[in-house]
Amino acid sequence: QVQLVQSGAEVKKPGASVKVSCEASGYTFTKYHMHWVRQAPGQGPEWMGIINPSGGSTSYAQKFQGRVTMTRDTSTSTVYLELSSLRSEDTAVYYCARKRIAEPFDYWGQGTLVTVSS
Amino acid sequence: EIVLTQSPGTLSLSPGERATLSCRASQSVSSSYLAWYQQKPGQAPRLLIYGASSRATGIPDRFSGSGSGTDFTLTISRLEPEDFAVYFCQYYSSSPFTFGPGTKVDIK
Repeated sequence: QVQLVQSGAEVKKPGASVKVSCEASGYTFTKYHMHWVRQAPGQGPEWMGIINPSGGSTSYAQKFQGRVTMTRDTSTSTVYLELSSLRSEDTAVYYCARKRIAEPFDYWGQGTLVTVSS
Repeated sequence: EIVLTQSPGTLSLSPGERATLSCRASQSVSSSYLAWYQQKPGQAPRLLIYGASSRATGIPDRFSGSGSGTDFTLTISRLEPEDFAVYFCQYYSSSPFTFGPGTKVDIK
């Protein structure tokens, strides 16, 4: 069965960076794009960007350009999200979710809470 | 960029009642790329409906979607206790894959 398993909760100080992982299993890793979506408390989900595990190409939402990096390791079927220059507004649950072109997000990770606090 | 608005913000109903949730797009969109998700506290969103009206695998037939252009609807024909949750619509044709702010369905 398809599973996306994310790393555990993080607490960071303003200005720091955080790196969240998402390990995929139960399907061919390179056949689905992986997206990162975050959700602040009480808010709707917000799309952050996409990585193509096949070639490693990425595309980021304009809001996060310059602060976000998405990478992958095909040997472990894992994708990573790194967000730098953290501020309190970045406190949110971060999700990975898989998707193919013209299809919806069909499987999601369990989420990783990132808290930014001095 | 497509902006999605959802109404009402909160819907208070009793088990067995019918729920009608609305999603409105800021401009006409293709219904082929409109999805609905359910989210319960502490859980990730779960895909319910894609292509505006197709149920995802394992979704009960009390959930149905309809609409076109700028107006879309999610209907839950008879609310079960496990249906009390937050529902989001999303347009997934191309980035930035916008989500709506959500409608909370709670117990009256």
